[in-house]
Amino acid sequence: GAVVSQHPSWVICKSGTSVKIECRSLDFQATTMFWYRQFPKQSLMLMATSNEGSKATYEQGVEKDKFLINHASLTLSTLTVTSAHPEDSSFYICSAPGTSYEQYFGPGTRLTVT
Amino acid sequence: GENVEQHPSTLSVQEGDSAVIKCTYSDSASNYFPWYKQELGKRPQLIIDIRSNVGEKKDQRIAVTLNKTAKHFSLHITETQPEDSAVYFCAALGSGGYQKVTFGTGTKLQVIP
Repeated sequence: GAVVSQHPSWVICKSGTSVKIECRSLDFQATTMFWYRQFPKQSLMLMATSNEGSKATYEQGVEKDKFLINHASLTLSTLTVTSAHPEDSSFYICSAPGTSYEQYFGPGTRLTVT
Repeated sequence: GENVEQHPSTLSVQEGDSAVIKCTYSDSASNYFPWYKQELGKRPQLIIDIRSNVGEKKDQRIAVTLNKTAKHFSLHITETQPEDSAVYFCAALGSGGYQKVTFGTGTKLQVIP
């Protein structure tokens, strides 16, 4: 089956710094990828849709200048959390759609901002 | 946009009993309804899905029913086992582009041995 990887799996950063999370489709091409955020004991909330070669589409309430998304190739999308604050601490998951309706999820990245 | 509501938020059952989780959605154009199981710190894992042209689907101990008229779908787990304990999410694929999936709020299922 299709595989999506994420790197890093967990990261700790200091308040005010930026951190980049990578999402890769390993054995298929993904013109679209999705970025979700999941706070403890909550559901996955879609943050943005990443489109290869064009600007990302952000969900209402998500600051596009804070969460920078780059989808520079058909296998890689990156999410950069700029000027991170403790409230940005969360579990970030990416996904890529398959050829039908299925979604292939990455393993997630646990971000802790101190 | 799509809105998916899920009940109950927590569910405890005795091992061997059945568990039922219910969801409703708002977008009548939604046409795909997956169910995911998520263990702590892990990615969501697809356990069953149903498309809008089907009313019911079963896979061993797991079944899903869909009522398009009522915009309601349910997950049924029979003969529950301790390893079924996890958080379950229903979801709906909306009518917008890019196959955007909206998740329900989740149900924490505890199977008591």
